[in-house]
Amino acid sequence: DSGVTQTPKHLITATGQRVTLRCSPRSGDLSVYWYQQSLDQGLQFLIQYYNGEERAKGNILERFSAQQFPDLHSELNLSSLELGDSALYFCASSSRLAGGPETQYFGPGTRLLVL
Amino acid sequence: AQSVTQLGSHVSVSEGALVLLRCNYSSSVPPYLFWYVQYPNQGLQLLLKYTTGATLVKGINGFEAEFKKSETSFHLTKPSAHMSDAAEYFCAVRGNNNDMRFGAGTRLTVKP
Repeated sequence: DSGVTQTPKHLITATGQRVTLRCSPRSGDLSVYWYQQSLDQGLQFLIQYYNGEERAKGNILERFSAQQFPDLHSELNLSSLELGDSALYFCASSSRLAGGPETQYFGPGTRLLVL
Repeated sequence: AQSVTQLGSHVSVSEGALVLLRCNYSSSVPPYLFWYVQYPNQGLQLLLKYTTGATLVKGINGFEAEFKKSETSFHLTKPSAHMSDAAEYFCAVRGNNNDMRFGAGTRLTVKP
């Protein structure tokens, strides 16, 4: 158990819909990262938040957005969903802003299926 | 930009045999390298990481990896495979965005 929790575990929805994925980082961790794992793209970094502020962006679509709240939990919002958005979405956390050798601890993921 | 390439999407070994999973990196700066394991329907778990210093890194579950700058490699090994080692293994390098840049993964199968 990494200490990172994600809800829901599974999500099934239809094209065009909007969903929210939730992540609670490890106790004391200020950085939250979101990743997408799909069969064709592999594991890709989406976005990072640190202590409530967006700090880095990766291959995140404009239809996707995220935020980190004062209690440090984070939400990833996916809108106008397409079939290709079906994937496993991971949240990871670490204690520092800058990575370096710092370990990122991954949650169990949310499996999204868009029908 | 930092990146890693994992050689071999599938590796199959017999129980008790040596496990060797290959990873090569590309980085313009001294890299921070990681190996993660993903068991079916689970998240990623850190096996080991290379920062600086000793080039042979020992991790959990009997795994180790050796950083070889001259070969730009960070291969993962385990002397004797166990059935419980069957999983997907990801090599990763720290990116400029503090993100983790993962390889495509290697699925390890262990035959009895």
